[in-house]
Amino acid sequence: AQSVTQLDSQVPVFEEAPVELRCNYSSSVSVYLFWYVQYPNQGLQLLLKYLSGSTLVKGINGFEAEFNKSQTSFHLRKPSVHISDTAEYFCAVSEIGDTDKLIFGTGTRLQVFP
Amino acid sequence: EAQVTQNPRYLITVTGKKLTVTCSQNMNHEYMSWYRQDPGLGLRQIYYSMNVEVTDKGDVPEGYKVSRKEKRNFPLILESPSPNQTSLYFCASASRLGEQFFGPGTRLTVL
Repeated sequence: AQSVTQLDSQVPVFEEAPVELRCNYSSSVSVYLFWYVQYPNQGLQLLLKYLSGSTLVKGINGFEAEFNKSQTSFHLRKPSVHISDTAEYFCAVSEIGDTDKLIFGTGTRLQVFP
Repeated sequence: EAQVTQNPRYLITVTGKKLTVTCSQNMNHEYMSWYRQDPGLGLRQIYYSMNVEVTDKGDVPEGYKVSRKEKRNFPLILESPSPNQTSLYFCASASRLGEQFFGPGTRLTVL
């Protein structure tokens, strides 16, 4: 069965600094990978997704993620964060052939300080 | 505008009093799902539905019921709520490639 591990529950960072939110997954088959963001008191919205093709995926708000099959990772990065990026970020995986089942990590809270 | 709506957004109730949280989507998605979000646990799937009249258990189905009589609606029913069902609930619908669209959430408190 697939699983998702987000190694950091909280990541504090200063504004304009780079950030990386880590995500590792476990699956016996090929997967689709997603990052969702949850702003305070809101639902989740899709940041970016990897389905196939280039392993470097660009999303909204300047975020990008790189799929690394050998390390089973899908880390999220942004070169320069803003206060408005303060939110909870969730990594999620679904298995190709069973795409209705989406497994989420436990989330990483990104706190951006001025 | 493509969206998933949930009602109510906030609900405080007492143990044992039946309640229903409604969910509706306007994207003609076949797949819909309910999750609960708890601190430190992320999102856990309660039930999902792959089409009208087709529902299945997720990871934490105990104490919940669902129905899918119409494609656009997927209500979540708590027949006898208990305090351990106090949580933030999200409904979602999905395209075939697994991208899920989430509602705004329902914060439920069971006293």
